[in-house]
Amino acid sequence: EIQLVESGGGLVQPGGSLRLSCVGSGFTFSDHYMDWVRQAPGKGLEWIGRIRNKANSYFREYAASVKGRFSISRDDSKSSVYLQMDSLKIDDTAVYYCARVQLVPHRTLDYWGQGSLVTVSS
Amino acid sequence: EIVLTQSPVTLSLSPGERATLSCRASQDISGNYLAWYQQKPGRAPRLLIYGASTRATDTPDRFSGSGSGTDFTLTINRLEPEDSAVYYCKRYGLSPPFPFGQGTKLEIK
Repeated sequence: EIQLVESGGGLVQPGGSLRLSCVGSGFTFSDHYMDWVRQAPGKGLEWIGRIRNKANSYFREYAASVKGRFSISRDDSKSSVYLQMDSLKIDDTAVYYCARVQLVPHRTLDYWGQGSLVTVSS
Repeated sequence: EIVLTQSPVTLSLSPGERATLSCRASQDISGNYLAWYQQKPGRAPRLLIYGASTRATDTPDRFSGSGSGTDFTLTINRLEPEDSAVYYCKRYGLSPPFPFGQGTKLEIK
């Protein structure tokens, strides 16, 4: 069974930092790109970033809303992907999901974690 | 930047009826790299359709996707109470942006 399990969410003050983790199982983690998507309370879904696999040099891409503040990394030996969030703003309050990117050609998001709530508040 | 506009915003139907959800893109989506997701309250999104019309694993055949270019449709036949959810379309591919539509909330009365 394919699973993605996130951890690391919580309450943080504006300007603070937080790191989310996502562990995958039931598939060859190293083969896949991994994405992060967030959802503010009562709002829609927003793609925020991607990290490619080793064969593609772990290339990373970000949405404009988080570029320069958020950073994605991975450790294939631990089947894990991470989202480092710095300079957090109140508007970053959301449930954060990691998601597996399908292999070629259809790079859609086929499996998702359960979500991790990040609350930015003073 | 591609913008996806879904309609209607909300849809209220009865069990057994058919739901038709629309997703319109501001630019051509090459390769028909358009997916549909279902999200129930408090749950992660679930992939239903990709490639505009290919059902994902475990997606019931009551769900079908169609369309190309800029206009896409998700059709749900023989609605069941468990189909109550918010449905999102999403553009995907190799290079961002990967926008989602704003969602259609489907209520089964």
